Order: sequence, then structure tokens, then C-alpha cells
Amino acid sequence: EAGVAQSPRYKIIEKRQSVAFWCNPISGHATLYWYQQILGQGPKLLIQFQNNGVVDDSQLPKDRFSAERLKGVDSTLKIQPAKLEDSAVYLCASSYPNTGELFFGEGSRLTVL
Amino acid sequence: KNEVEQSPQNLTAQEGEFITINCSYSVGISALHWLQQHPGGGIVSLFMLSSGKKKHGRLIATINIQEKHSSLHITASHPRDSAVYICAVETSGSRLTFGEGTQLTVNP
Repeated sequence: EAGVAQSPRYKIIEKRQSVAFWCNPISGHATLYWYQQILGQGPKLLIQFQNNGVVDDSQLPKDRFSAERLKGVDSTLKIQPAKLEDSAVYLCASSYPNTGELFFGEGSRLTVL
Repeated sequence: KNEVEQSPQNLTAQEGEFITINCSYSVGISALHWLQQHPGGGIVSLFMLSSGKKKHGRLIATINIQEKHSSLHITASHPRDSAVYICAVETSGSRLTFGEGTQLTVNP
């Protein structure tokens, strides 16, 4: 079974530039999560999708972050414009709804200079 | 106060020691997850619990719903167990809240 795929693995940009991350979940997983993990902290939920609908985006900074999951499969997370404090690892995870086990991608490490 | 509190934050052990990591939470949950994160960011799911106890190899996870507490035990610890262990609670709508993690270092 192929895992959760994320790209790019690493990205370095200057503040005020834009960046996009891509996630392809495990086939058949209806629930998809984007998390932000700042060094030394636990992951923080940015957005949760159920198929192509948004379940929870209460912690997504909507003035600069956007995410979509067209067709209920892969997803993109965009930051525009980036700030220094956006430097973090962006993790994508997926699961079957209500069955529990989570599968995480390797993450995309963003450095904003 | 965070919804999910882990202790200790950092733990150093000698190879072979029995290790316990604790997780307390303050909300009603549908399930609790224990996750392992190695340097470089990859996270692996170890257990998902809603009651009782689960065992996989040298790892044991327990949960007490009434006390809102869970523990992760590692028997006969090994240097390759060195990682960050994260507790996450699942609430309605499959929403997850994570603890800050416990950094475990096992020395040979």
C-alpha cells in the first residue's frame, strides 16, 4: 500500500513570497488533515477535509493560508504571502473516517528567510 | 492549560530500562492515539485506543477513560526507540488535538 505522498520535502523562500505544498493521501482515505509543526512543538491542525468538504479550518490563518481538495483526493496548501513565523514542517495525514489509524506523509519543511 | 498534557517532556534512559510516558487530557474523547516521530519529521501511528490496553511487541498502551489518562510503556528499551512520542486525542468529527510530545533518548 503506497503511503501519503507530499512534495516538496524542503522549500526555502523569502518573506512575502508564496509557496504551495501538495499532498496525495492513501487511496480511499476520505479524511485528510494538514498540520503545522513548529520545531519543538506538537502538530497543530490547520485544516481537515472530509472528501472535498472542509470539516474544520478554525485554526487556519485565512488571510494568508488557503487549502483545497478538489475531487476529494489530493490536496494543496498555499501560503501567500509568507512570514518568518511560517517556518515549520507542514504535515499531511489521512485516515478512513471513524476507523482511527492515521497515516502521515514525510512532511514539507519550509524555511522563510 | 492545554487540552492534552504529556509528561515527562524529556526522558533519558539506559538500554534495557522500562519506560513510561504519560498523557492526561481534559475533554471527552472518542479515541486516543500514540504516535512516534523520528528526527526528520516522519510520524508513525503506534496505537489507537478507546478503552483498556493494547500491546505490540515491546510497546504497551493503556487508557483509563474515567481518569482521562493514558500511558505508553516500552519494555527492554533500545537505542532505536529514541524518538519523540506524541499523544493525540480524537474528539467528535475525527478532530485531533496533540500533546507537545516526549523526547526519549535511550543510551547504549
